[in-house]
Amino acid sequence: ETGVTQSPTHLIKTRGQQVTLRCSSQSGHNTVSWYQQALGQGPQFIFQYYREEENGRGNFPPRFSGLQFPNYSSELNVNALELDDSALYLCASQEQAPSNEQFFGPGTRLTVL
Amino acid sequence: QKEVEQNSGPLSVPEGAIASLNCTYSDRVSQSFFWYRQYSGKSPELIMSIYSNGDKEDGRFTAQLNKASQYVSLLIRDSQPSDSATYLCAVNKDNFNKFYFGSGTKLNVKP
Repeated sequence: ETGVTQSPTHLIKTRGQQVTLRCSSQSGHNTVSWYQQALGQGPQFIFQYYREEENGRGNFPPRFSGLQFPNYSSELNVNALELDDSALYLCASQEQAPSNEQFFGPGTRLTVL
Repeated sequence: QKEVEQNSGPLSVPEGAIASLNCTYSDRVSQSFFWYRQYSGKSPELIMSIYSNGDKEDGRFTAQLNKASQYVSLLIRDSQPSDSATYLCAVNKDNFNKFYFGSGTKLNVKP
């Protein structure tokens, strides 16, 4: 167990809807990253939050947005859902430099119909 | 060109053998390197991290990094059926703000 939790475990939405996924990071970690993992692929970096600010972003459109709260928990919001958004969404809690090791939560399986 | 390349496998080895998993990366400024194991339907689990050229050993696992060749490998000694999983290579760059994963290599350890 990494101490990183995510909710919900599974979610089914329809195209065009909006979704919010949640993550609680490991104690002492102030950096959280979000990833999208399609079936048979490696995780794709969406963005990273450090002390409540976005600190890096991958090649995802603006309809993917996030928040980090003072307790370092985080949300991923996706607007205008598309069928291709169906994936496992992973949150990773990161240790401080120089380690930078990331520890993943169990993920949220999102299905868009 | 992908940031991180891995052979998708599957790589099949008999129980007790050494499994060798390989990964190449495209950007020389990559700074940190990680190996994760992912069982089907589960999230990735960190196995090893390596930051400087050479070997790093942890139990049955050895990570090897060659920055000149932009190459990272993971050796698993005395492979067990429980090692059967997908192994993901990840690199970290851009002042630690971006992580890139390969597509993973599926390892099958046959009893």
